[in-house]
Amino acid sequence: GENVEQHPSTLSVQEGDSAVIKCTYSDSASNYFPWYKQELGKRPQLIIDIRSNVGEKKDQRIAVTLNKTAKHFSLHITETQPEDSAVYFCADGGISGNTPLVFGKGTRLSVIA
Amino acid sequence: DAGVIQSPRHEVTEMGQEVTLRCKPISGHNSLFWYRQTMMRGLELLIYFNNNVPIDDSGMPEDRFSAKMPNASFSTLKIQPSEPRDSAVYFCASSLPGNNEKLFFGSGTQLSVL
Repeated sequence: GENVEQHPSTLSVQEGDSAVIKCTYSDSASNYFPWYKQELGKRPQLIIDIRSNVGEKKDQRIAVTLNKTAKHFSLHITETQPEDSAVYFCADGGISGNTPLVFGKGTRLSVIA
Repeated sequence: DAGVIQSPRHEVTEMGQEVTLRCKPISGHNSLFWYRQTMMRGLELLIYFNNNVPIDDSGMPEDRFSAKMPNASFSTLKIQPSEPRDSAVYFCASSLPGNNEKLFFGSGTQLSVL
């Protein structure tokens, strides 16, 4: 079955610096990779996703890159702010929405003011 | 729409007791997922339903766990008997037909088994 490795498990950055979280997946057929953000005590929510026909996608201060050859994808947050502090989960979405998401174990990001 | 609704928000019980968690998916969503979240294992898929039919329950830890979806607007996850190692946050999520990619999560049930 699918396996998703996520690193690091914890990450602390100074406000204004960048943060990068990396994930690797095992199923080369997978073509959809979302990222979810979970604030303390809240539910996970989708923040950005990428499909295998593109290498990079941006949405304001967040971006996701995908390397299908190496089977890894990354989340980049620039100009971090205290409200970016949360647990971030990557996921392997399999093929075209027909299988459930398999999540990484999460990265706890702390942005220090 | 109120989103995915889970109850209770918190449950504290003693080992050996039966626990029932409830979920109401978003209207019109035909896929429903139960996930368990722990510090050690992150978000684990326990079981999911399409059109009220269980599709994959391979993530259910053992026979003490069972899930049902009697209709399109209600699902339950039952643990009988409960054990301390079952303590976790249990999330229910739903998604639109043919789109398991975008999940809408409920607020979760924080379960503590003493």
